Amino acid sequence: EAGVAQSPRYKIIEKRQSVAFWCNPISGHATLYWYQQILGQGPKLLIQFQNNGVVDDSQLPKDRFSAERLKGVDSTLKIQPAKLEDSAVYLCASSLRGQGAYEQYFGPGTRLTVT
Amino acid sequence: GESVGLHLPTLSVQEGDNSIINCAYSNSASDYFIWYKQESGKGPQFIIDIRSNMDKRQGQRVTVLLNKTVKHLSLQIAATQPGDSAVYFCAENIGGYSTLTFGKGTMLLVSP
Repeated sequence: EAGVAQSPRYKIIEKRQSVAFWCNPISGHATLYWYQQILGQGPKLLIQFQNNGVVDDSQLPKDRFSAERLKGVDSTLKIQPAKLEDSAVYLCASSLRGQGAYEQYFGPGTRLTVT
Repeated sequence: GESVGLHLPTLSVQEGDNSIINCAYSNSASDYFIWYKQESGKGPQFIIDIRSNMDKRQGQRVTVLLNKTVKHLSLQIAATQPGDSAVYFCAENIGGYSTLTFGKGTMLLVSP
């Protein structure tokens, strides 16, 4: 079974530039998550989708971050404009269903460096 | 102890020893807990989970213990191997949709 795919794996941008990350979840997984992981810390949930609807985006900085999952499969996360403090690894995860706390499967992440 | 920024708590063991990694969770309403292992440059990998109606659950070489009275979770790894070297995170779910809140992590270093 193919795992969660993410691209790019690494990205370096200057502050105030824009960046987008892509995620393809495990086939058949209805729930998709984007996490931000700052070096030395645990992942922090940014947004959770159930199919193509948003379930939880309470920790998403909506003035600069946006995410979509238009067809209920792939998802993109965008930052515009980036700040230095956005330097982190952005992890995508998916699970079979949202309710009942099903196991989440993580992709390898995209390491973003903002200079 | 507490970790701040880059300073993760670290547990150093010898190959073959048993390891115990501890986690204090924050919310008494949490009903589901997971331990994840994260190797450098990779995403977290599921190890074992436990629901709040259980005190103990065993997997292959791993055991999770849950003490709801003191809101404490531990991961025991038997016969620790160099391949077990990684950062270990506990995560809690506070009901409803499967939103997980991760702890700060503990680095396990296994020397041959």
